[in-house]
Amino acid sequence: DAKTTQPPSMDCAEGRAANLPCNHSTISGNEYVYWYRQIHSQGPQYIIHGLKNNETNEMASLIITEDRKSSTLILPHATLRDTAVYYCIVRAIAAGNKLTFGGGTRVLVKP
Amino acid sequence: KAGVTQTPRYLIKTRGQQVTLSCSPISGHRSVSWYQQTPGQGLQFLFEYFSETQRNKGNFPGRFSGRQFSNSRSEMNVSTLELGDSALYLCASSTDRAVDEQFFGPGTRLTVL
Repeated sequence: DAKTTQPPSMDCAEGRAANLPCNHSTISGNEYVYWYRQIHSQGPQYIIHGLKNNETNEMASLIITEDRKSSTLILPHATLRDTAVYYCIVRAIAAGNKLTFGGGTRVLVKP
Repeated sequence: KAGVTQTPRYLIKTRGQQVTLSCSPISGHRSVSWYQQTPGQGLQFLFEYFSETQRNKGNFPGRFSGRQFSNSRSEMNVSTLELGDSALYLCASSTDRAVDEQFFGPGTRLTVL
C-alpha cells in the first residue's frame, strides 16, 4: 500500500471548518483513499473514502486532487467532539482488509 | 445492530504467560482483522481472517496467532508474553464487499508485568 504523509498536529476553532491534508504521491490507480479517526482510548472510526471523485457524507467531505497525489478531509463545522487523531490511509482493495496506519494528524478543536 | 465486541476489556499478565483475546464481529460480517496499538509503534496490522481462513498477515513473530470460527467469531493468542506485548489490541470486522469500511471494537488493553 502507498505511504501517506500527514501533519502531526493541528488546531481548529469550534464551529469553523477543519481542513486536514494528506499526501500520497505514490498512490496506484487501484488504491482508494480512506479516512479514519480515533478518539482517545476508543477504536478507530471510519469517516469516508474515495477513489478519484470528491465524496461527501454526513460526517465530512473528501477532496482528491486530479492527479490523486494528495487529498483533503474537510470537517465542515468542527465541534469539541471532533478532537481526535485522524488517519489517512491508502488501500488496495484486492489486498483484503489490511489497513496500514501512519502517524495521523492530532486535531484539537478549541472553544 | 450490535457493534463489534471484544473480551476481556482489560487484562494483566506476567512475562512468559500466554493470553487469548476474543472478538465477536457485527452480525453478517465474515472478515475479522486484528491490530496492535502501542505508543511507540502506533497501530499495526496483525492478521485478517475471512471465512475461517487467514487471508492477510502482518509482520509479527509466530508467538502471535489467531483463528476464526464458523460463526465468524475470532480469537487471537499470544504465547510467551514479553513486556513489549503490552498494548491495546483492536479487532475490526467488515462485510464481504472489499471496498466497505471496517468497524472497530473498543479493544482489549493488555498489560504484561
